[in-house]
Amino acid sequence: RKEVEQDPGPFNVPEGATVAFNCTYSNSASQSFFWYRQDCRKEPKLLMSVYSSGNEDGRFTAQLNRASQYISLLIRDSKLSDSATYLCVVNIETTTDSWGKLQFGAGTQVVVTP
Amino acid sequence: DGGITQSPKYLFRKEGQNVTLSCEQNLNHDAMYWYRQDPGQGLRLIYYSQIVNDFQKGDIAEGYSVSREKKESFPLTVTSAQKNPTAFYLCASSPRGHNTEAFFGQGTRLTVV
Repeated sequence: RKEVEQDPGPFNVPEGATVAFNCTYSNSASQSFFWYRQDCRKEPKLLMSVYSSGNEDGRFTAQLNRASQYISLLIRDSKLSDSATYLCVVNIETTTDSWGKLQFGAGTQVVVTP
Repeated sequence: DGGITQSPKYLFRKEGQNVTLSCEQNLNHDAMYWYRQDPGQGLRLIYYSQIVNDFQKGDIAEGYSVSREKKESFPLTVTSAQKNPTAFYLCASSPRGHNTEAFFGQGTRLTVV
């Protein structure tokens, strides 16, 4: 089983609609969580961190469910420019590392259509 | 300006040759990482280092080697033992601590010809 799993999509979303997708992680000792955005043939860039209480940044809302070991990302009022691959990132604590290592999911592709 | 720099952006290699990808950061970050990304795939961890002169294997370390002689630098060597080296290679760095984001270089596209 992969340590971080995502639905690859694509999620085809009409402009202005809402889309949400999850990411599951297997290591219950995972310490911190992030969503990154990656455009085609570019490097990933941080979209937002995910806090235990959930957090919002404009049209983007991230949630963490530790009991079920998943995080979610919701995009409201989708824009054409939101078309990208969204990567879930988990900072996994290991027995030998003081603060763990960053493990990426394979990404969820979102395509916003006019 | 602070940042993380990878070079070269594009690299062509003949089969059987070793090649070294450069990654330099001036962000004073302790941790550095190398990832490989294949078309339509996610990032897979090759090696990571959290302190100078120490590094750990990631999920796909076979056929790769790294060094961390300086805090700023974390070069990756793709050896001839790597059977399918054509891919997009991404280097990242992050500060010490759990709730810290990673910053990426622009990547190196390696093609074996």
